[in-house]
Amino acid sequence: DTAVSQTPKYLVTQMGNDKSIKCEQNLGHDTMYWYKQDSKKFLKIMFSYNNKELIINETVPNRFSPKSPDKAHLNLHINSLELGDSAVYFCATQSGGHEQFFGPGTRLTVL
Amino acid sequence: QQQVKQSPQSLIVQKGGIPIINCAYENTAFDYFPWYQQFPGKGPALLIAIRPDVSEKKEGRFTISFNKSAKQFSLHIMDSQPGDSATYFCAAGWGKLQFGAGTQVVVTP
Repeated sequence: DTAVSQTPKYLVTQMGNDKSIKCEQNLGHDTMYWYKQDSKKFLKIMFSYNNKELIINETVPNRFSPKSPDKAHLNLHINSLELGDSAVYFCATQSGGHEQFFGPGTRLTVL
Repeated sequence: QQQVKQSPQSLIVQKGGIPIINCAYENTAFDYFPWYQQFPGKGPALLIAIRPDVSEKKEGRFTISFNKSAKQFSLHIMDSQPGDSATYFCAAGWGKLQFGAGTQVVVTP
């Protein structure tokens, strides 16, 4: 049973399109994150949700909109995709301590 | 502004060698210092973590050394194996984590 899962694993799309990435966790953690990993492997936090409430928004363009329908899910919707959005996006959850558990990632390629 | 600086960017060692990766942080409020290991095509996975009240922590072949006064910490991989070839990230924080830029480690047979 995968603790943190993401769909899809790969996403190839044209500039200007709108796409969504889904994340689901079965760990029962209250805090969930979205990270972006660029081509140089740098991991940058985008958003954090705690118990379905947005608590961190790291100056991400408003084309990116996270949505948490319930504690187990945190989805990422991206409007008007740009070439610079190409990256690997990771969902992560955080336990009551500090440990974060990452999903397998979604590789987004914008053509 | 990068709050956690990691070096080197890449490292090649022979099997049995000891790769050492260094990180420096700025924010003295940080109280949690983990290291993550990432294999190609996978998400980062927690390897080992330390709190600032401890100067060293060992888990298997992985050791963190922590110097609170210098605001530095490092990862040592003892008796490294080709299967340890991966990208390693340090991080620091008190809830939200700030990640270093990553170090690609290659262990040759």
